[in-house]
Amino acid sequence: GAVVSQHPSRVICKSGTSVKIECRSLDFQATTMFWYRQFPKQSLMLMATSNEGSKATYEQGVEKDKFLINHASLTLSTLTVTSAHPEDSSFYICSAPRPGQGHGYTFGSGTRLTVV
Amino acid sequence: GQQLNQSPQSMFIQEGEDVSMNCTSSSIFNTWLWYKQDPGEGPVLLIALYKAGELTSNGRLTAQFGITRKDSFLNISASIPSDVGIYFCAGGEYGNKLVFGAGTILRVKS
Repeated sequence: GAVVSQHPSRVICKSGTSVKIECRSLDFQATTMFWYRQFPKQSLMLMATSNEGSKATYEQGVEKDKFLINHASLTLSTLTVTSAHPEDSSFYICSAPRPGQGHGYTFGSGTRLTVV
Repeated sequence: GQQLNQSPQSMFIQEGEDVSMNCTSSSIFNTWLWYKQDPGEGPVLLIALYKAGELTSNGRLTAQFGITRKDSFLNISASIPSDVGIYFCAGGEYGNKLVFGAGTILRVKS
């Protein structure tokens, strides 16, 4: 149980376009979703935290106008990369706390974004 | 800010050998988690630790939450080829964001 489905798994887009990444909690309600970015051969770095029904909290150095996060329902959080540039190419991963303390976090399978 | 130091950075071991990796933190954490990540995939939880001093096993994996709450280790016994991957430690408080270590790349010679 406690599965997060992330789509798309891979996307290639042109510079200047926008890309939306979706994370859905399939069998539980995710009031919080964490969005991470992982560059090649590096660790996961938190970009922002989304909470259902309120504004997302962005980490220092992450442009909120460029990385739009929406968490309009308890089962869906989206990250939109706007006006994408090649340097935005990365692996984006969402994660939600599993319901019930002591059950850790569940991660989406990730989205490989390539901006050409 | 919070930082995790994970070591070693990489390991190249013989199949059947035991593996040990650890993480230390400059801050106290209430949760320590160990994940494995395969190429192109998201991290998969291996072991979660929620209590200082806790020692938990999951098959051939054993992890401990340090008594000071600032460190944790992961051991893999009798390694097999499918253990290959990147292992990450992560610390935090339940429900809050995680801080990840830099990862340990594990390669196994069969």
